[in-house]
Amino acid sequence: NAGVMQNPRHLVRRRGQEARLRCSPMKGHSHVYWYRQLPEEGLKFMVYLQKENIIDESGMPKERFSAEFPKEGPSILRIQQVVRGDSAAYFCASSPSIAGLEAEAFFGQGTRLTVV
Amino acid sequence: KQEVTQIPAALSVPEGENLVLNCSFTDSAIYNLQWFRQDPGKGLTSLLLIQSSQREQTSGRLNASLDKSSGRSTLYIAASQPGDSATYLCAVTAVNDMRFGAGTRLTVKP
Repeated sequence: NAGVMQNPRHLVRRRGQEARLRCSPMKGHSHVYWYRQLPEEGLKFMVYLQKENIIDESGMPKERFSAEFPKEGPSILRIQQVVRGDSAAYFCASSPSIAGLEAEAFFGQGTRLTVV
Repeated sequence: KQEVTQIPAALSVPEGENLVLNCSFTDSAIYNLQWFRQDPGKGLTSLLLIQSSQREQTSGRLNASLDKSSGRSTLYIAASQPGDSATYLCAVTAVNDMRFGAGTRLTVKP
């Protein structure tokens, strides 16, 4: 059972381009969280998704950012028209559920986005 | 809205010392609390998971406690080693929510 897989590990984009970050949760996990970590700062919650549903997007910037977790395939965090301030490490976590005993969250290695 | 606070923000100790990292949270209605370790430029590694019904968990030189009623957790590291140098984060999981503290940056000097 592979862990949470994020790709790419490193992504360089020019200002104004689009960035697509992918996260494949662990097998059997239907809950996905995205976090952003700015240089020298802690992890900030962005969005929580279950299959085909956005449960909580209170941490997502109102513009340019969107996330999805389709029935098939990985979760995608999409950033349109990137700006230098979007440069950060983006981490994805998955868990099998929220309630109950088996709720440990596992993290991917992150995608480091650099906007030049 | 759940808020998670970690104190201290940074800690430097000589090798061999026992130390305690603190985590507090404002909403006691949680399912579990996890402690993670993050090395510079790396992802997060789960260290310990404490369910809401538990009071502590131990793994090797690490011991984590949970006092839900007071909204506190501590991570105790015994006989610290230079390899323990990293940022330690706690995260609480509640309904539709998993929130992190800002972390404690630990440096263990040889």
